Amino acid sequence: EDKVVQSPLSLVVHEGDTVTLNCSYEVTNFRSLLWYKQEKKAPTFLFMLTSSGIEKKSGRLSSILDKKELFSILNITATQTGDSAIYLCAVEASLGNYQLIWGAGTKLIIKP
Amino acid sequence: DAGVTQSPTHLIKTRGQQVTLRCSPKSGHDTVSWYQQALGQGPQFIFQYYEEEERQRGNFPDRFSGHQFPNYSSELNVNALLLGDSALYLCASSFGLQPQHFGDGTRLSIL
Repeated sequence: EDKVVQSPLSLVVHEGDTVTLNCSYEVTNFRSLLWYKQEKKAPTFLFMLTSSGIEKKSGRLSSILDKKELFSILNITATQTGDSAIYLCAVEASLGNYQLIWGAGTKLIIKP
Repeated sequence: DAGVTQSPTHLIKTRGQQVTLRCSPKSGHDTVSWYQQALGQGPQFIFQYYEEEERQRGNFPDRFSGHQFPNYSSELNVNALLLGDSALYLCASSFGLQPQHFGDGTRLSIL
């Protein structure tokens, strides 16, 4: 059965700290891995990763995929209180299987 | 550029009733997916619509049905509501292999 596991489930850090969120997966015919940030309602898209070892970066956020070990990490440097959210990881299987398979999310709380 | 819009925002129903949720996709998107998100969990895939047809379905009973209209908007219908149907229902739209974009969801509470 396809599954996505995120760790930790929750994390509390202080402003300015660096955090690393983990996502491991077991999916038949992997196509891509996506990271989303969910604050109150709509998950907002962060990154889509398809190739191993290529870091994607957006400001203080970065992410990388390891297709051999079947995991991805999301790094946030110099955290701010606005980074407090649930970070969701989802995996797309190959063309022909259109659903996203989601992890349970990591709840990140940044204390001032 | 309007994003994905969903209505209503909140809905309260009683067991056994039926409900219809609506979604308008982001401009330029032709595919709509529906998800159910229980508190503290990741979204669960309900189904996806493309070219007015249900293209794929997750592990949800037939009480959950949907429709896509020629303008790409979509409805999710749930019949014979159960207490366990209480959740945030998210609609996402996409085009081709691009990432899905989500609406703010409809919070459905069943009493």
